Amino acid sequence: GAVVSQHPSWVICKSGTSVKIECRSLDFQATTMFWYRQFPKQSLMLMATSNEGSKATYEQGVEKDKFLINHASLTLSTLTVTSAHPEDSSFYICSAPESGNEQYFGPGTRLTVT
Amino acid sequence: AQSVAQPEDQVNVAEGNPLTVKCTYSVSGNPYLFWYVQYPNRGLQFLLKYITGDNLVKGSYGFEAEFNKSQTSFHLKKPSALVSDSALYFCAVRVSGTYKYIFGTGTRLKVLA
Repeated sequence: GAVVSQHPSWVICKSGTSVKIECRSLDFQATTMFWYRQFPKQSLMLMATSNEGSKATYEQGVEKDKFLINHASLTLSTLTVTSAHPEDSSFYICSAPESGNEQYFGPGTRLTVT
Repeated sequence: AQSVAQPEDQVNVAEGNPLTVKCTYSVSGNPYLFWYVQYPNRGLQFLLKYITGDNLVKGSYGFEAEFNKSQTSFHLKKPSALVSDSALYFCAVRVSGTYKYIFGTGTRLKVLA
């Protein structure tokens, strides 16, 4: 199946700093990618849809100025958590659809803000 | 509004016994349904999907799911559980006309040796 990678897999940052998470489709092109957030022992919450060459579409309640998404190429989307705070600590997962309708998910990035 | 429900937070089953993880859905139009598995600190792995065709769908690792339109269910099944099947299982439905998924709340499967 298709492969989606994320980098880094784990990051610790200080409160007030920004951190960038990369999501790459390794063997296919993805005009659309999705960013999810998962709290411990909870389901995935869709944050936004990343669109190659255009602005991201954010779900209701997600602060677009805090979670900056850039989809600069057909294989790369980035999520930047700006001015991170401890409540932003979470597991962030990206996904991309490939032919066949299913989504392929990245391995996730665990963000810890101290 | 489209939604997915997984009524069981946790399912315990003895190794070698059959397992069922329940999922019901509510969608407009024809449903595109999926099952994913998640191991600790990992992303989701695709197990199987129903788009159209046979109601019994076979997937990875010996899992299968039965689509039941009248009961709006898509339960995940396996004839003989393995300890290594212990993980978090998510049912999802694709929003019509998009690639967006709506996930259920997840069911933790624990297979006891």
